[in-house]
Amino acid sequence: GAVVSQHPSWVICKSGTSVKIECRSLDFQATTMFWYRQFPKQSLMLMATSNEGSKATYEQGVEKDKFLINHASLTLSTLTVTSAHPEDSSFYICSARGREAFFGQGTRLTVV
Amino acid sequence: AQSVAQPEDQVNVAEGNPLTVKCTYSVSGNPYLFWYVQYPNRGLQFLLKYITGDNLVKGSYGFEAEFNKSQTSFHLKKPSALVSDSALYFCAVTGTGFQKLVFGTGTRLLVSP
Repeated sequence: GAVVSQHPSWVICKSGTSVKIECRSLDFQATTMFWYRQFPKQSLMLMATSNEGSKATYEQGVEKDKFLINHASLTLSTLTVTSAHPEDSSFYICSARGREAFFGQGTRLTVV
Repeated sequence: AQSVAQPEDQVNVAEGNPLTVKCTYSVSGNPYLFWYVQYPNRGLQFLLKYITGDNLVKGSYGFEAEFNKSQTSFHLKKPSALVSDSALYFCAVTGTGFQKLVFGTGTRLLVSP
């Protein structure tokens, strides 16, 4: 089946720094990728839809200047958490769309 | 707007017994329904989907789900539970055109030996 690779699996950063998370579709071209955030013991919250070659579409309440999304190629989308704060600590998951949605392994971000 | 409800936060079942994890949905038009499983600190793994066709869908690891249009339900089932099935299960729905997936709140399945 199709594989989506997400990197890094976990990251610890200092408050005020930026962190980049990569999402790659390894064996198919993904014109659309999705970024989700999952809080402990809660469901996945869609943050934004990333479209190759165009601006991402953000869900209501998600700060686009804080969560920068770039989808420069058909196999790579990146999420950059800018000026991270402890409340940004969470589990971030990307998804690429084919006939169904395939998910990356997730990234555990801890901001200290 | 699309929505998914998973009414149970946790389901407990003994190994070898059948299990059911409930899901109901609301969507305009025909639904595309999915079940995913998540292990601790991992991404989601696809189990099965319903797009069209037979109401009973068979998926990975012996799981199956039954689409019931009149009850707008898509319950996940397995005839004989394994301890290794213990995980967090998510039901998800999207509508015609396959735009964004909307997830339920998840149900934690605990299978005891």
